[in-house]
This record gives sequence, structure tokens and C-alpha cells, in this order.
Amino acid sequence: GAVVSQHPSRVICKSGTSVKIECRSLDFQATTMFWYRQFPKQSLMLMATSNEGSKATYEQGVEKDKFLINHASLTLSTLTVTSAHPEDSSFYICSASQGYDTEAFFGQGTRLTVV
Amino acid sequence: EDKVVQSPLSLVVHEGDTVTLNCSYEVTNFRSLLWYKQEKKAPTFLFMLTSSGIEKKSGRLSSILDKKELFSILNITATQTGDSAIYLCAATNYGGSQGNLIFGKGTKLSVKP
Repeated sequence: GAVVSQHPSRVICKSGTSVKIECRSLDFQATTMFWYRQFPKQSLMLMATSNEGSKATYEQGVEKDKFLINHASLTLSTLTVTSAHPEDSSFYICSASQGYDTEAFFGQGTRLTVV
Repeated sequence: EDKVVQSPLSLVVHEGDTVTLNCSYEVTNFRSLLWYKQEKKAPTFLFMLTSSGIEKKSGRLSSILDKKELFSILNITATQTGDSAIYLCAATNYGGSQGNLIFGKGTKLSVKP
């Protein structure tokens, strides 16, 4: 199956700093990438959808200025959590899809802890 | 608002038991229903269902979709401790791509030796 690599798998940062998470499709071109967030004991919540070369579409309630998404190439999307606060601590997962009608594959996830 | 509801939220069984996990959905322009297994990290894909009444099987796991009653079940027979995980159900609609998933809260399955 297709491989999606997410990096880092775990990060601890200080409050007020920014953190960048990378999502790469290793063996296919990802036209669309999705970013999810998962709080403990809760399900995955879609944060935003990004299409290569265009601006990301954010779900209601997700601050686009706080969660910056860049999808500059067909194999890489990044999520930057700006001015992180402890309430941003969560598990962030990306998924990547080759096209509109194809299955998306998940990265391994990133555990973010803001102290 | 589109939603996916899973039941039970948690389940404890013993090895060898058979379990049935439930997933109901209310999704506008429903397209497909997917099942995932989540252990410590990201979910791994199990099944994608688009047609009613056609059972999909993979080893001890099977799943079926009922588009009239708007639900799906995931069956696991002869459970093993390695089946312990959170099982997530997700739906897609024609408003978005196949990767735009609406997740349920999951069922936490614990299989005791």
C-alpha cells in the first residue's frame, strides 16, 4: 500500500513557540492532504483539507492563522502550530490522497506537548 | 449536521469470543463507509463499503453495510489479544473526496487472555 510519512512522531515545545509538522507521501503524488487532530479518548476531527498549490480549506472552528498549512508540492504538506499553548497539546495526524476518488492513507501521527 | 455514531464505546471480551461493533450514520449525500483499527498511533485501514448487503471479509474480520437503515457492523470472530484496539468507523460524502472522513468516536475493544 501507499506510504505516508509524518515527522516528527513526538515533539515537546515551550508555550509561545511554533512547531512544524511534516507529512510526506513517499511513493505516490498526493493531490490532497488532510490534517486531523485527536484529543485523548476522542475521535479524529478533521482540521483542514489542502490541495497542492492552493490554499487550505479549514473546518469550522479551526483558526487558520494559528494552524498554518502549506502544500507546496505533490509529496509534502506541512502544518505549523504558531504560538503554541498547552491547550494545543494533542495528537495530530495527516492523510494523503492521490485524487478525488481514491482512498487516503494515514501518516503515523505526531504527539505534540506544549509546556 | 453530518454525524457517525458508534456503539458500544467500550467492550471487554475474552479470547475466542465473537464481537460485533456497530456504526450508524447520518450523512448528506453519503458515499462510503470505512472501518479503521487504531492502536497506539495512526489508524490502519480495514474495509471500505459502498454497497448494501455485500459482506467484506479479511481473515477473522468481516463487515457489511445497510444503506437503507444507515448502519454498518464490524464482526470479529475468535478474538485474540492482538485485536485489542480502538475501532473507528468513518463516512464520506459526495461533497468531498474519499479522504474527507467523518469519524465516529470509536469503540475501544479489550480482549483478555
